[in-house]
Amino acid sequence: DVKVTQSSRYLVKRTGEKVFLECVQDMDHENMFWYRQDPGLGLRLIYFSYDVKMKEKGDIPEGYSVSREKKERFSLILESASTNQTSMYLCASSLWRNMNTEAFFGQGTRLTVV
Amino acid sequence: AQSVSQHNHHVILSEAASLELGCNYSYGGTVNLFWYVQYPGQHLQLLLKYFSGDPLVKGIKGFEAEFIKSKFSFNLRKPSVQWSDTAEYFCAVNGWNNRLAFGKGNQVVVIP
Repeated sequence: DVKVTQSSRYLVKRTGEKVFLECVQDMDHENMFWYRQDPGLGLRLIYFSYDVKMKEKGDIPEGYSVSREKKERFSLILESASTNQTSMYLCASSLWRNMNTEAFFGQGTRLTVV
Repeated sequence: AQSVSQHNHHVILSEAASLELGCNYSYGGTVNLFWYVQYPGQHLQLLLKYFSGDPLVKGIKGFEAEFIKSKFSFNLRKPSVQWSDTAEYFCAVNGWNNRLAFGKGNQVVVIP
């Protein structure tokens, strides 16, 4: 059974803190994605990666960075958390070699910045 | 880059009513199309997908979607909904760049 695991379900951080959200997949997928989900706005792509050490900006990369040192792990970093980054963060993965494949999602991390 | 439009963000209907959710995308090349569902408190799950072939695609739980290339549309339908179909539904498009783009979602509430 395919699995995408996000390290935390709920997280509360203070404004200005550096925040790490971790995601691990066990399917040997090349592509990994970070989205944020907000009511009425759907899923917005923050960053994605199609290989180790490779990354591409999504639609809303400002205030975020990512790291992919190993194929199975994709980290989202909030350099200095702000209240407008309070959101649900979703990690996903998919195969690269064949675009005819769906993405698999983790359970999400609900981040609150106070 | 590809983009996806979903209209009528909130849909409320009674059990046994028919459901149709619209999805339009903008992308000039070959696309793969998806509908995902998120039940309350659960993670996103694939409902159905279109890659090629028959434009009428059948998914899980009695859902189907039709790809109309000339209209850049991929509308989701279910002839008779149940209370358990209460969920948020997302249309998504994947182009050659593997950049999976989502619409804003439809919150569907089915009243028993």
